[in-house]
Amino acid sequence: GQQLNQSPQSMFIQEGEDVSMNCTSSSIFNTWLWYKQDPGEGPVLLIALYKAGELTSNGRLTAQFGITRKDSFLNISASIPSDVGIYFCAGPPGAAGNKLTFGGGTRVLVKP
Amino acid sequence: EAGVTQSPTHLIKTRGQQATLRCSPISGHTSVYWYQQALGLGLQFLLWYDEGEERNRGNFPPRFSGRQFPNYSSELNVNALELEDSALYLCASSFTGVSLGNEQFFGPGTRLTVL
Repeated sequence: GQQLNQSPQSMFIQEGEDVSMNCTSSSIFNTWLWYKQDPGEGPVLLIALYKAGELTSNGRLTAQFGITRKDSFLNISASIPSDVGIYFCAGPPGAAGNKLTFGGGTRVLVKP
Repeated sequence: EAGVTQSPTHLIKTRGQQATLRCSPISGHTSVYWYQQALGLGLQFLLWYDEGEERNRGNFPPRFSGRQFPNYSSELNVNALELEDSALYLCASSFTGVSLGNEQFFGPGTRLTVL
């Protein structure tokens, strides 16, 4: 079935650093969504992208919808401790309508 | 405005039993979705209900079923529980419509443990 590949699988951040993660697919997506999930909670929608090439910001977060419609990236600038969590990309592949496919997640941890 | 709510928070069952999980969507949302998130894994799509009808189903056996009520709340039923059904079950809601429905908002989940 449709798959979204996220990388990296995990990363360590130091306060103040900028971090980046991305998501790729072998097929076209018409929408890209980025979610953050804290332990024991449901995912929270961070950014939604609807047009190829679109660049959207939400505070310190910036996400882009790739031109090929097969990828997206999420940047976090000036990271802070509460940025720790798991970030998921998601989208409805092709004609799948409302069914979302999720990437495997990028686990963001604080550098010891 | 209240977000998506789910009950119970935790549920412990034994193999072979049935589990019922409940979800109330955000006011104004007519679509409800169910996802399974096994420990350490991503979210797997289970079911989509809209206007009381099942609209789409993920790659899960028939013992996973559900329904949506006239007030748009939803139930997920899992029959003949197996150990591997232990997971966080997440409910999400959205407005109807392909593009609008892409923005799904999640509840806190029900942690189901099968012993």
